[in-house]
Order: sequence, then structure tokens, then C-alpha cells
Amino acid sequence: GAGVSQSPRYKVAKRGQDVALRCDPISGHVSLFWYQQALGQGPEFLTYFQNEAQLDKSGLPSDRFFAERPEGSVSTLKIQRTQQEDSAVYLCASSSLAGAYNEQFFGPGTRLTVL
Amino acid sequence: AQSVTQLDSQVPVFEEAPVELRCNYSSSVSVYLFWYVQYPNQGLQLLLKYLSGSTLVESINGFEAEFNKSQTSFHLRKPSVHISDTAEYFCAVSDTSGTYKYIFGTGTRLKVLA
Repeated sequence: GAGVSQSPRYKVAKRGQDVALRCDPISGHVSLFWYQQALGQGPEFLTYFQNEAQLDKSGLPSDRFFAERPEGSVSTLKIQRTQQEDSAVYLCASSSLAGAYNEQFFGPGTRLTVL
Repeated sequence: AQSVTQLDSQVPVFEEAPVELRCNYSSSVSVYLFWYVQYPNQGLQLLLKYLSGSTLVESINGFEAEFNKSQTSFHLRKPSVHISDTAEYFCAVSDTSGTYKYIFGTGTRLKVLA
């Protein structure tokens, strides 16, 4: 596709449910990032993949958060036993090369609401 | 570790007036600097970036930002705003030595008034 796509765009979960958020990066992009954006805040880094390798997961807030990119393309962010504090917009971004100087292209985000 | 401060959460300005959105950062290492814009119901889009070289960088739609190392700032300016510039603007930094992630500020909502 022309850009980064994410699905679903909106997700409502009851506290304690597991959720899976999908990211389709721009075809051929090596780098993939997940960010969490709470209401009124800037995006905060969660994790980074270079191809299928998860090189940095320092931003994942707890062991309930898990991300994977098994074939170096599509990525899934999974949140187990969701809590109300997990409510946020989850952004995915991809970049054509590895390296901080390369522009990150962002998807529209998935808005997660935990009741 | 790096941090980014955008002191102004909202900036109202009349159409055709100039605007400055402030961004200050803190870092113990060299950084790359970015401004992203988020229009309503859209994803973040890169507006401009500073990597090295000339400290003044420009975008295609009339915005410019100047990297000031001594003041650790990267303020965004436009001499004459349009209604269509209404959006949220995020400043971000990344260190130059390979962690690749962006550290974002909390954003400034620019509201252009007719």
C-alpha cells in the first residue's frame, strides 16, 4: 500500500481481556517502531524492530506487552490482561533503512479504550 | 537520556500572522531534531528535520526551524499562517548513535483563526 496501515482503528476492550493490534508497514521498510500516545501527550517509544529482530524493547511498560514481527514485515502488538491505564493510541511507524536520520512514516494509529 | 519540552500546549493565532512554536531539548549526546505535524484524524507527518550542516532548515510549505546548540532549542516558525496550518505539532529528538527511537515533546496545538 501507499503508507503504513494499522488495524483495527478503534478497539474497545473490557479490563482483563487480551488485544492484538496489527501494523502493515510500507513494503520493503526495514525498521518498524511502536509508540504509545496517551491523551494529551506526545508519542512514547515502546519497541523497535530491524527486519524480524526486536532490537529494543526498553519502552514496553510491563510484561503484559509483547510485540512480534516474525517475517520482517507485518507486526503485531499484543497486550494481555488489559488495564485501564493501557487506554491510548498505539502508533506504528516504519523507516526504509536503519538509522535515526531516516524519516519514520507513521500509521493512523489504533485507539484502544479499556473499560 | 534525552527529553523534549514544548512549553506551549496551545497557540491561537490569526490568519496571515507570524507564529513561533517553541521546542527545547536536553541531551548529553549529539542529536537529530525533527518536527512532525498531525492534522485532524490523520497520522503524524514529517515537517522538517535537522541532521547536520546548516542550522536553518525549511519545509516546502513555508515553515522553518533553526537549530541552536547553545540554547538547546529547535523552534518552529512561519511568517504568515493559513487556516490550513491548524494542526498539532510535535518536536522530537533522536540520538545519533543508533538507538533510532524518537523522543517526542507533548505537542503544541496551533489554532489559526479567521
